[in-house]
Amino acid sequence: DTAVSQTPKYLVTQMGNDKSIKCEQNLGHDTMYWYKQDSKKFLKIMFSYNNKELIINETVPNRFSPKSPDKAHLNLHINSLELGDSAVYFCASSQSTRTPYEQYFGPGTRLTVT
Amino acid sequence: DQQVKQNSPSLSVQEGRISILNCDYTNSMFDYFLWYKKYPAEGPTFLISISSIKDKNEDGRFTVFLNKSAKHLSLHIVPSQPGDSAVYFCAATMNDYKLSFGAGTTVTVRA
Repeated sequence: DTAVSQTPKYLVTQMGNDKSIKCEQNLGHDTMYWYKQDSKKFLKIMFSYNNKELIINETVPNRFSPKSPDKAHLNLHINSLELGDSAVYFCASSQSTRTPYEQYFGPGTRLTVT
Repeated sequence: DQQVKQNSPSLSVQEGRISILNCDYTNSMFDYFLWYKKYPAEGPTFLISISSIKDKNEDGRFTVFLNKSAKHLSLHIVPSQPGDSAVYFCAATMNDYKLSFGAGTTVTVRA
């Protein structure tokens, strides 16, 4: 059974469109994250939610909006997609009461904006 | 500004020999360090970690060494196996939720 799952795995879309990526974890964790891996392969934190509350909000364009309907889900909505948004987006989760930095990652969503 | 750096983008090692991966950091406030392993088309998986109060942590074939004065850590894999071929990311945190990652080192284990 997949611990952290993301849908879709691949997403190809045109500039200006709006798209969403969904993430679900079945580990019972209380904290979830979105990371972006850019063309230089760096993994950079974008957002984090703990018990549905936003706790990390890095400098990301406000075209990106996370939504956490419950502890097991964290979705990422992107408005007005730009070429520079092309990247691999990873969802992750952890348990804050243990070791929040030991994060479990999903398989990634490769977003290509044309 | 990258606070965690992995200066070797790739490493090739013969099966059975030792793999040594290096990582440097600039932020002296980091107090917990981790290594993640990533296979193609998969997400990173947690491998091993070390607290800043220690200088060594061992887990089976994997050992992480921390040199705080040099702001340097390394991961030793002994012996290297073909299944170890992957990208290895070094990460650091100030004991909170936010991880800062290096760019990764691609390890290839040759038979």
